[in-house]
Order: sequence, then structure tokens, then C-alpha cells
Amino acid sequence: SQQGEEDPQALSIQEGENATMNCSYKTSINNLQWYRQNSGRGLVHLILIRSNEREKHSGRLRVTLDTSKKSSSLLITASRAADTASYFCATGDTGGFKTIFGAGTRLFVKA
Amino acid sequence: DAGVIQSPRHEVTEMGQEVTLRCKPISGHDYLFWYRQTMMRGLELLIYFNNNVPIDDSGMPEDRFSAKMPNASFSTLKIQPSEPRDSAVYFCASRNRAGPGGKAGELFFGEGSRLTVL
Repeated sequence: SQQGEEDPQALSIQEGENATMNCSYKTSINNLQWYRQNSGRGLVHLILIRSNEREKHSGRLRVTLDTSKKSSSLLITASRAADTASYFCATGDTGGFKTIFGAGTRLFVKA
Repeated sequence: DAGVIQSPRHEVTEMGQEVTLRCKPISGHDYLFWYRQTMMRGLELLIYFNNNVPIDDSGMPEDRFSAKMPNASFSTLKIQPSEPRDSAVYFCASRNRAGPGGKAGELFFGEGSRLTVL
């Protein structure tokens, strides 16, 4: 069963622009992760933020987490055509062992 | 490390046939997960193992699905008999203990097995 819902479902931007994707979830979590999936490939882990953290950065990625609203956002700055992919948020339950994925956002970056 | 290895990458079979998907996790990882991805339902967690023991199989859709992990370096997902609605991409992922109590951390995914049941 899916835990999170991403918004928007699809996003098309120009190269150089910032891309923001949002994720909402339903139950209490231990952590929230973002993954990327290129067409026809497996998922690749991008970043993990723990439930006691509010913001985290990694290169051009910035992730925020608001546990009171049960939501997270992923910001990709200065997007590139190579960022074109699907992006998924995934939550680790409070038991900490299961990782459940949302429906994903399809990002298309036009060169 | 070669990463998580899945086979076959593509499988086309006819309804009623048995399908076996295989996974070799990353050496040293003690958690293994099987996911199914479809356009309609997204990524669904089917089952996961810890130290070769099935911990939660609540996502396994029906008795036609079974999964085993006979040792730390090999797992199978079997569908018998297969049906057209089983058509999907099946992913295997592994991870190691991450922090106190082995709480959920980064998952490493294989490239998936694309199954088509005619």
C-alpha cells in the first residue's frame, strides 16, 4: 500500500529553473527519503531526512520536512536536462524497518 | 561491489505458467525487499526479509505468490500460476542496518525484472 502522495504528478520546466516537488504522508514516520528513477531503471537514493530534522541539503537538492503537516518537499535548483526522471518520496515507519513509496512526480527538464 | 543483481531482466510468459524471479543482494546487507511497480498501483512492497527470515509478507497479493531467501546472497520470488494482471516490473532492494535498532535507511535497488504475462 502507498503511504505518500506526491504533488504534482508531472512537472515540465526549462533548464536552469528550480523544480519543487511535494510529498504528503499519512502515518507517523521515523524518516523520509527521496529517490530518483530514470526510465527503465531501478530507483536510486537521493537523500534521507530523519523525523527530528527540518531541512537537509545535498548538492543541488534541498529537502524539508514538516511532521506537524505530514509533508515534505524536494527542491532541485538550477535544473539540468539530465535531471529528467521520476522522483519518489518514501517513508520509513516508526518501527523503522519498512520503506513505503509514494506515487511519484515525473519531472521533465527541457534543454 | 556489483550492486543488487536481478534476473531475468525481461520475462514473457503465458497465463498459467510458473515464473521465478531471482535476486542477489549486496554482500553484507541483511535486509532484502521485494517491490512491484505498475502504472496503476505504483511501487508496492510485497515482502521483506531480515537475516534471511521473512518478516512481513502482508503485501503479497495472493497465495500464488511466494518468496524465499535460502541464504544471505540469494532470494527468489515465485508466481504460480501466473496471470495477466501480474504483469509489472518487480524490484529487489537491499540495505544494511542503519543506526540503532537497524532503523530504515538507504535502499539499494536492482534494475528490475519486467514481467509480461500473456
